[in-house]
Amino acid sequence: QVQLVQSGAEVKKPGASVKISCKASGYSLSTYHVHWVRQAPGQGLEWMGIIKHSGDATDYAQNFQGRITLTRDTSTDTVFMDLTSLTSDDTALYYCARDFAWAIDSWGQGTLVTVSS
Amino acid sequence: HSALTQPASVSGSPGQSITISCTGTNSDVGGHNSVSWYQQHPGKAPKLIVYEVIYRPSGVSNRFTGSKSGNTASLTISGLQAEDEANYFCKSYRQTSSTWVFGGGTKLTVL
Repeated sequence: QVQLVQSGAEVKKPGASVKISCKASGYSLSTYHVHWVRQAPGQGLEWMGIIKHSGDATDYAQNFQGRITLTRDTSTDTVFMDLTSLTSDDTALYYCARDFAWAIDSWGQGTLVTVSS
Repeated sequence: HSALTQPASVSGSPGQSITISCTGTNSDVGGHNSVSWYQQHPGKAPKLIVYEVIYRPSGVSNRFTGSKSGNTASLTISGLQAEDEANYFCKSYRQTSSTWVFGGGTKLTVL
């Protein structure tokens, strides 16, 4: 059974960084791309970036260029999302998700990041 | 870098059909057969219901039908049921920037 298990909730101060992990089970990370998507409270879904299954290639949404870094550790089948220079606008539920046929067929449980002074 | 355009809300009575539109440009919806649709109930992760414009994942009801014409994709839900009440999001690959983009979401109310 495919599962993506994310790290726990985080509370950060403005200007800080956050690093969220996403561990795959039931399949190998080296066979599928992984997206990161966030959802602010009461808002829609916002695509943040993708790390490709081969070669660690990444693409990022323009809104996050310069602040986001996606990496992976194939030895533990874990992907990481690092977001810097946090503001209150970054308070959201962050999801990692598996790519399938240009879509997303499996989602992590979400990691709540709260940015507050 | 704007999101795809969806109506904020639609509604229908049980048994009826509704259609949700998702309008983009020829750089995304119109230029690539990558449109997917997601259903999200409150407090839950999104669920894939249509991929590559017209295909349904295993286990998704055939009451959900995807289509596309030009720069607008559509999701039709037939035989509305109370359990269909949820938020629906479209997503497309945007070729010009090698990125993906979501629609703003549509809240479906079953009257």
